[in-house]
Amino acid sequence: AQKITQTQPGMFVQEKEAVTLDCTYDTSDPSYGLFWYKQPSSGEMIFLIYQGSYDQQNATEGRYSLNFQKARKSANLVISASQLGDSAMYFCAMRERNAGNMLTFGGGTRLMVKP
Amino acid sequence: DAGVIQSPRHEVTEMGQEVTLRCKPISGHNSLFWYRQTMMRGLELLIYFNNNVPIDDSGMPEDRFSAKMPNASFSTLKIQPSEPRDSAVYFCASSLGTSGTSSGANVLTFGAGSRLTVL
Repeated sequence: AQKITQTQPGMFVQEKEAVTLDCTYDTSDPSYGLFWYKQPSSGEMIFLIYQGSYDQQNATEGRYSLNFQKARKSANLVISASQLGDSAMYFCAMRERNAGNMLTFGGGTRLMVKP
Repeated sequence: DAGVIQSPRHEVTEMGQEVTLRCKPISGHNSLFWYRQTMMRGLELLIYFNNNVPIDDSGMPEDRFSAKMPNASFSTLKIQPSEPRDSAVYFCASSLGTSGTSSGANVLTFGAGSRLTVL
């Protein structure tokens, strides 16, 4: 079974609008962390935001926020006020305490920001 | 900090040749990971080290692949002999933290990747 599922292969968003990228996960480990990475066309992997399973509040980092719904096992990324430079692949990933330090990635969502 | 440094950035080789990819993790990080990215399979973990010791190599495709970490500041991923299906981008990443997930210190920092093409 897939540990991390990103159901949107590609998405368009108008510049300056907000967009939500979906991520659901599967784990029985009570202690885990969820990560979002951005991969622009240049290829590097850029860390965006982190949410721990015990964190009470949703994580925020500038224009990025994570809509963490633990009971539904979802960790959607919200990007506010989209910019052209946000066009990239976005990967959701999970790290489980009982799986050591391994980070398991979803298949990614390609976001395209329209001017 | 220079970040995670990988070399070479690009490698083109012929089938059957040996390929060695190199990685220098961030100083002070004690976990190191090798990932492979392809269009078909996405990002796959090949192997990871903790304090220079291989912890999980279940993702290594076959015996043609081997990885070493002789010290805290250097790791290699070797493919011998290489095959066209090994063509991919190989990422090295490092992180602080050896256990627990309650801290953002467990964030993996990735290198720029090594793009391998096997003809």
